[in-house]
Amino acid sequence: GQQVMQIPQYQHVQEGEDFTTYCNSSTTLSNIQWYKQRPGGHPVFLIQLVKSGEVKKQKRLTFQFGEAKKNSSLHITATQTTDVGTYFCAGGRGNNNDMRFGAGTRLTVKP
Amino acid sequence: KAGVTQTPRYLIKTRGQQVTLSCSPISGHRSVSWYQQTPGQGLQFLFEYFSETQRNKGNFPGRFSGRQFSNSRSEMNVSTLELGDSALYLCASSWTQLVAGIYEQYFGPGTRLTVT
Repeated sequence: GQQVMQIPQYQHVQEGEDFTTYCNSSTTLSNIQWYKQRPGGHPVFLIQLVKSGEVKKQKRLTFQFGEAKKNSSLHITATQTTDVGTYFCAGGRGNNNDMRFGAGTRLTVKP
Repeated sequence: KAGVTQTPRYLIKTRGQQVTLSCSPISGHRSVSWYQQTPGQGLQFLFEYFSETQRNKGNFPGRFSGRQFSNSRSEMNVSTLELGDSALYLCASSWTQLVAGIYEQYFGPGTRLTVT
């Protein structure tokens, strides 16, 4: 069945450094969502990507969806301590049907 | 606008019992999805309801069921509870505007279920 692999599992950076997390699917996705979850909190929806090769930016965050719609990445430029949390991707097939989540990348930022 | 609300926030049940969790979506949102989050399995999709119809279901046994009412409020039921059902159950409501390519989703705070 559809699996979504996310790497790395953990990432520790110095404040100001960049950060990237990657998601790869064994099957073609119709869309991919990205979420951020702070310790003790609930997931917060960041963005949805739908189109092949799509790139979207939200301030210091850049999201990409691969040409084959099997992989995606989230890049944070110049991390800040407020970026701390776990970032999840979730791949869907057709209107978020059967969403499969990546295991998440836990980001810690040293001030 | 009020956010997604879930009740109860915490629940302790005994193995074999059943439980019903409630979710009230953001006003105007017609889609409600349910998720299970555990340290071992991570986030897993349970099912999604749209306009009172189950639009899709994840890979969970039939003990997990749900429904949605005409006001978009949703309930999730787990029967014959097992120890492994202990988890944070999250619901999320979403809104889509296909033409404009807009999709937004908001999670509730979750219900922490402990099965003893």
